[in-house]
Amino acid sequence: LAKTTQPISMDSYEGQEVNITCSHNNIATNDYITWYQQFPSQGPRFIIQGYKTKVTNEVASLFIPADRKSSTLSLPRVSLSDTAVYYCLVGDYDKIIFGKGTRLHILP
Amino acid sequence: EAGVTQSPTHLIKTRGQQATLRCSPISGHTSVYWYQQALGLGLQFLLWYDEGEERNRGNFPPRFSGRQFPNYSSELNVNALELEDSALYLCASSALAGAYEQYFGPGTRLTVT
Repeated sequence: LAKTTQPISMDSYEGQEVNITCSHNNIATNDYITWYQQFPSQGPRFIIQGYKTKVTNEVASLFIPADRKSSTLSLPRVSLSDTAVYYCLVGDYDKIIFGKGTRLHILP
Repeated sequence: EAGVTQSPTHLIKTRGQQATLRCSPISGHTSVYWYQQALGLGLQFLLWYDEGEERNRGNFPPRFSGRQFPNYSSELNVNALELEDSALYLCASSALAGAYEQYFGPGTRLTVT
């Protein structure tokens, strides 16, 4: 099971691009990398998932280097409403561990 | 398309009682997952059901149990409630068995007094 390490918290300003990096040194060959967003007292919301290189959707981009030992979630031009906890998940479905995530605080 | 629904929204029980929480997945989703999120903590994986069978469970005692019905809805039962069981219980569903692309419901807030 690949353990993930993320910063506990980050601050940024409205309109900035925010990059949150997740380390997963023992990622397995078949593992995908998935990111979720969670607001207080709500269930997490799926943001993006990738296996290698770069994945982009209407919400975010996910950058995965060739060795796949880390990944970076990129949020373009954040707003106050992007203040939330962001979770990086890596691994298979055998045991799902969310970890404590990164608390992102967007300032005006 | 309706999302994952959970009931009740809030549940208050006393220590030693039993609690039953319910979840309806997104139409077409066969996998249902249960998580516990205690105040200030991350999500802890509880149970995964697919096609009516328990596929995996997290590190929780046997008094946490559940089942999945033929219509893929699910029920989580917590017996002999303890104060530390107070938490937000989240249900999620996925289209593929065991997928990490899961869709979460709003949760049930369980308070044990």
